[in-house]
Amino acid sequence: DAGVTQSPTHLIKTRGQQVTLRCSPKSGHDTVSWYQQALGQGPQFIFQYYEEEERQRGNFPDRFSGHQFPNYSSELNVNALLLGDSALYLCASSNLGGGPYEQYFGPGTRLTVT
Amino acid sequence: GQQVMQIPQYQHVQEGEDFTTYCNSSTTLSNIQWYKQRPGGHPVFLIQLVKSGEVKKQKRLTFQFGEAKKNSSLHITATQTTDVGTYFCAGRISSGSARQLTFGSGTQLTVLP
Repeated sequence: DAGVTQSPTHLIKTRGQQVTLRCSPKSGHDTVSWYQQALGQGPQFIFQYYEEEERQRGNFPDRFSGHQFPNYSSELNVNALLLGDSALYLCASSNLGGGPYEQYFGPGTRLTVT
Repeated sequence: GQQVMQIPQYQHVQEGEDFTTYCNSSTTLSNIQWYKQRPGGHPVFLIQLVKSGEVKKQKRLTFQFGEAKKNSSLHITATQTTDVGTYFCAGRISSGSARQLTFGSGTQLTVLP
């Protein structure tokens, strides 16, 4: 049973560029949430996707957008990258219909913006 | 907006000593989850508490949810070097259809052999 997978594991981009990060949820999960974790901080909620729609959004600008595909996998897009976007981006999957919303995190994508 | 505060930020203990981290929310929570993140790793789900005053145990770990559902604690008895990592609480608010988790800033535990 594959857990949550994310790609790529590391990424280096330049200010102003755009980036796409990918996530495949754990088998049987239908909901994907994205988090940004700066060094030494807790994960900050970006948004959550369920049934291919954004269901909840945290306090992040419109430069952050996402998508969920029919197979439940998801993408996170960040436009016009800033130095402050450097962080570990975590994807977490859960089963919205399953009650407790226990989340399983992927290994993350380490994004460095120079 | 909702805030979840966690203290202490850092804790160094001698192996065998006990450890406690505390979590406080500015709003009433529907449930609270605890995660452990090893250095260089990703958060791993430990437990979820839902009921007011709930206490759950996992071997040497004891989790409590406050009566008002606004605070929680994690206590580790007789720490071991394998307990090293950052412990996060994450709360889900009670009202509306909100499904997002708000994480605390974590407590980084160092266990000295």
